[in-house]
Amino acid sequence: AQSVTQLGSHVSVSEGALVLLRCNYSSSVPPYLFWYVQYPNQGLQLLLKYTSAATLVKGINGFEAEFKKSETSFHLTKPSAHMSDAAEYFCAVSGVIGNQFYFGTGTSLTVIP
Amino acid sequence: KAGVTQTPRYLIKTRGQQVTLSCSPISGHRSVSWYQQTPGQGLQFLFEYFSETQRNKGNFPGRFSGRQFSNSRSEMNVSTLELGDSALYLCASTPDSGRASNEQFFGPGTRLTVL
Repeated sequence: AQSVTQLGSHVSVSEGALVLLRCNYSSSVPPYLFWYVQYPNQGLQLLLKYTSAATLVKGINGFEAEFKKSETSFHLTKPSAHMSDAAEYFCAVSGVIGNQFYFGTGTSLTVIP
Repeated sequence: KAGVTQTPRYLIKTRGQQVTLSCSPISGHRSVSWYQQTPGQGLQFLFEYFSETQRNKGNFPGRFSGRQFSNSRSEMNVSTLELGDSALYLCASTPDSGRASNEQFFGPGTRLTVL
């Protein structure tokens, strides 16, 4: 069965500080993993995805994530937080069949000036 | 290319009514998925359509239904609305079928409020 767990429903960081959002996955097959961001009253926008080509994945807006099979993790990081990073972040794993995604419960990121 | 569009963006209904939401995928995308997003349950998969056929279905009651047209546009219908159906309904499209590595492209959503 496919699932993801996001640790920490709310994360606050100071502007310029490191952003670390945690995601652990469970998958019955080699997983495809995704991070999406959602701004208020908007849909989800893809930040990055892991499709087994490389364990360190770089995405948009300076975000990156590292796939660690031994830890079943796919944590999202950004070296220096910006005010515009304040949003809801979702980790997702794709299903075995078809285009069904299993999403985590989301992490709300607050950036403190 | 234009993104995924959803209409209407906002909708207010009363209990017992029914509602139809529309989604137009990105041109060339043949798979359309629907999700319900609520503060308590997060993002939950409703169903997926490909080539006018429902291919996957989540764990929702039969009041939730959908269809896809030959141009890949999709509609979802909710009958006998309940207060708990108040949510943001998101549509997502993908360019291919069955490739788990494909990302999904999301529309802005339809905010449904049931009074």
